[in-house]
Amino acid sequence: EVQLVESGGGLVQPGGSLRLSCAASGFTFSSYEMNWVRQAPGKGLEWVSYISSSGGIIYYADSVKGRFTISRDNAKKSLYLQMNSLRAEDTAVYYCARLESTTLRYFGYWGQGTLVTVSS
Amino acid sequence: SYVLTQPPSVSVAPGKTARITCGGNNIGSKSVHWYQQKPGQAPVLVIYYDTDRPSGIPERFSGSNSGNTATLTISRVEAGDEADYYCQVWDSSSDHYVFGTGTKVTVL
Repeated sequence: EVQLVESGGGLVQPGGSLRLSCAASGFTFSSYEMNWVRQAPGKGLEWVSYISSSGGIIYYADSVKGRFTISRDNAKKSLYLQMNSLRAEDTAVYYCARLESTTLRYFGYWGQGTLVTVSS
Repeated sequence: SYVLTQPPSVSVAPGKTARITCGGNNIGSKSVHWYQQKPGQAPVLVIYYDTDRPSGIPERFSGSNSGNTATLTISRVEAGDEADYYCQVWDSSSDHYVFGTGTKVTVL
């Protein structure tokens, strides 16, 4: 069974940093492209970042580019999101999501999410 | 950047048909995917590649895509279909994934 479990969320002050993790199991992690998607309270889904299976290709949403860094450790079957210079508008539930097809590009599996709150 | 527009809400009586639109410039040239999200839960894929259903998704869910509008259709609506629905595409011009604004489906 495919499982994605996020961790690392919490309360952080504006300007602070936080590192999210996503532990994968039930599939060959190194074969799949991965993403982070977030959802602010009461708002819609917003794609945050993408990383290829090898880690060699990375994309970011304009809203986080230069502040967030996505990475992965295939040996540990884990995905990460380093978040720096956090702002109040970064407050959201952060989901890791597995990309199902390089050509069709849809998210077939999602974790349950981890809440990040940026507040003083 | 590419924008996907959905109606904020759709209301439907049980047993009737709900249609949720997703508007985007020439969206018919892209592959559209749909997600269902119930309160407090992660999104679940219900339609991919415009019309395909993942295993476990009822046949009552169907999709179409042409011109500037993609549509998710839920036939014989049940109380359990009450949720938020989001469309999604890949915008190759910006290397960005894009979600629609979301539609809340209310079953009367």
